Amino acid sequence: GNSVTQMEGPVTLSEEAFLTINCTYTATGYPSLFWYVQYPGEGLQLLLKATKADDKGSNKGFEATYRKETTSFHLEKGSVQVSDSAVYFCALRSSASKIIFGSGTRLSIRP
Amino acid sequence: DVKVTQSSRYLVKRTGEKVFLECVQDMDHENMFWYRQDPGLGLRLIYFSYDVKMKEKGDIPEGYSVSREKKERFSLILESASTNQTSMYLCATGTSPNNEQFFGPGTRLTVL
Repeated sequence: GNSVTQMEGPVTLSEEAFLTINCTYTATGYPSLFWYVQYPGEGLQLLLKATKADDKGSNKGFEATYRKETTSFHLEKGSVQVSDSAVYFCALRSSASKIIFGSGTRLSIRP
Repeated sequence: DVKVTQSSRYLVKRTGEKVFLECVQDMDHENMFWYRQDPGLGLRLIYFSYDVKMKEKGDIPEGYSVSREKKERFSLILESASTNQTSMYLCATGTSPNNEQFFGPGTRLTVL
């Protein structure tokens, strides 16, 4: 069946470090891919998305490229800030209205 | 902006109690969802609804039911709460299947 696997956390980095959070997926057909972010005490909000192969989603300095050949959608940011501390979820839309989420990766940024 | 509100941020109930979690959205979205979020398991879909009075089981519907009498309101019901239903519950809404989902702030439920 369809599934999403993302790197386990927690991930702890210093401010201005480079960030990569790995995400791979298993799906039939051509799913849409998403990254959601959950800040402390809040619900999830969409960070970025890509709907077809080789698309790059970007927002707030974060980027992810839909790689069909490696079934991956890794999240990257060149220089993280303390305010980026949150839980990040990779997700795919497998069929009408159903989204499958990964287990989440907690990111902590040290000043 | 889409606003999705949930009736409580924190809730404590006893085993065997009937529990109602309410979700209200103000953007006229057709689709509404209930998830539970547990550490290491991510989000798991409990139930969803495409329209008023319509519901579909998600991946973990056992022990839960839902009600959607009005388009803007989607209720999750625990008929007889159990300790293994202690969790964070998240409501979400969406328009077409290709678009994102918008989440409420969540209800942290503790069943003693």
